[in-house]
Amino acid sequence: DTAVSQTPKYLVTQMGNDKSIKCEQNLGHDTMYWYKQDSKKFLKIMFSYNNKELIINETVPNRFSPKSPDKAHLNLHINSLELGDSAVYFCASSQARGSGELFFGEGSRLTVL
Amino acid sequence: GESVGLHLPTLSVQEGDNSIINCAYSNSASDYFIWYKQESGKGPQFIIDIRSNMDKRQGQRVTVLLNKTVKHLSLQIAATQPGDSAVYFCAEAYFGNEKLTFGTGTRLTIIP
Repeated sequence: DTAVSQTPKYLVTQMGNDKSIKCEQNLGHDTMYWYKQDSKKFLKIMFSYNNKELIINETVPNRFSPKSPDKAHLNLHINSLELGDSAVYFCASSQARGSGELFFGEGSRLTVL
Repeated sequence: GESVGLHLPTLSVQEGDNSIINCAYSNSASDYFIWYKQESGKGPQFIIDIRSNMDKRQGQRVTVLLNKTVKHLSLQIAATQPGDSAVYFCAEAYFGNEKLTFGTGTRLTIIP
C-alpha cells in the first residue's frame, strides 16, 4: 500500500542508452513531479504535471521526456544517457498544484557508466 | 539568482538534547516555507510548514521559527531521538509560483 511507488529502484546502464523510470501514486492526488537529486543531495525540480497537463518544465535537456497517461502515473524517459545524468530521481505527488506538502517516492538511483 | 541556503552542512547532537537547524533565504517574495526530512535511502518527507503571516508554528516535538526581517528560518527539534538522524531541507515558494526551491540540506546526527 505504498503511496508513491517508482520502479526500478536501481538502474545501471551504459552511456548512450535509453531508459525509463515509472511512477505511480495511489493517493488520489492531482499533481505529480519529477525531482533530481545529485551527489551533493541537492534537490531540483524537473517537471510537474497537474491532471495530466504539464505545468512545470525546468531547463532540462530534451533528452528527458515525461509522460503522464493518467493523473496517477508519471513516467520519465531518458534518451542518449550521459555520465552527468547519474543521480537519484524522485517522483512525488501533491493534492493540488502549488501545495508545499509533497509525498515522495523512495527514489530511483541511476548510474551511467 | 535567488537561493535558499543553510548555515551548517552537518550537525551532531546528543540524544535527548534539543537541536536547531537554520536556513537562510534570499528571495524576499517567498511567503511559504517548508521543512523536509530525508532519511538514508528514502525520499524526503514533509515535516512542517509556515506561511509568512506567522513567525512560529509548532508540531509534535518540532517548532519552526520564521524571521522575515533577516530572511531566516529555523527548525527546532526537541528531545532528539536516534530516528531524527537524517538530512533536513528547507524549501521555499511564493504565491503564484508552482515550484518549491529546496536548500542544500543539513545532515543531523544524533549521538546515542
